[in-house]
Amino acid sequence: AQSVTQPDIHITVSEGASLELRCNYSYGATPYLFWYVQSPGQGLQLLLKYFSGDTLVQGIKGFEAEFKRSQSSFNLRKPSVHWSDAAEYFCAVVPTSGTYKYIFGTGTRLKVLA
Amino acid sequence: GAGVSQSPSNKVTEKGKDVELRCDPISGHTALYWYRQSLGQGLEFLIYFQGNSAPDKSGLPSDRFSAERTGGSVSTLTIQRTQQEDSAVYLCASGRNTEAFFGQGTRLTVV
Repeated sequence: AQSVTQPDIHITVSEGASLELRCNYSYGATPYLFWYVQSPGQGLQLLLKYFSGDTLVQGIKGFEAEFKRSQSSFNLRKPSVHWSDAAEYFCAVVPTSGTYKYIFGTGTRLKVLA
Repeated sequence: GAGVSQSPSNKVTEKGKDVELRCDPISGHTALYWYRQSLGQGLEFLIYFQGNSAPDKSGLPSDRFSAERTGGSVSTLTIQRTQQEDSAVYLCASGRNTEAFFGQGTRLTVV
C-alpha cells in the first residue's frame, strides 16, 4: 500500500535560519507529490507540487522541494525562515494509477524562534 | 465562490445524534474529497467523488458514515449515531487537473 512518512513530528528553527522538512514515500512508481501548509485553525494551502520534469520545484512563499527518485524522497526547503512560517506542513502523494486520492503524511509542526 | 466552503464551521452534538456536514466545492471542479483530521493526527482519507459517483469510499470508518454528492457540486457527509471518537475536524477539498483546494473544515465535537 502507498504510504508517506514525515519522520520529524516537530522542528524548531530560529528566524533567518534555513529549513529542511523530510518526506519519504512508498509507491511502486513515481507518484504525484505535493507539500501543503496548515496554519492554526485554517485549511490546507498548497505550497508546491511535482508531476514530472525538473526535480527541483519552486513554490510559493520562497519554498522549494527536490524530488529524489533513488531515495523516494521529496524534501521541502527554505533558505531563510520567517516567523510567519510557523505552521504544520504536510507532504502528500497521489498515485498515478487507480483512485486519484491524496495520501498524506502525519505532518511536521514547525516552530520559529525570534 | 472563491474557494471551497464548508458549513457549519463548528458543530457540537450529543452522542447518538445524527449530523450532516456540507461542502460547496469550487465551481467546475469534478473531484471532491472528504478527509478527517483528529487532534495530533494526520489527514485520514474518507471518500473521493468524481462527479456524482464515488469510486473510492474505502476510508469511511463504519457504516454510520455516508456521503453523497448531487449535481456534481455540493456534497454532504452524514454521520449517524455519533460517537465521541467521531470528534475531529472534517475537511473537504475539490480539485481539477491534479490540484486539490481545501476548505477550512468543520470542527465536530461529540459530547
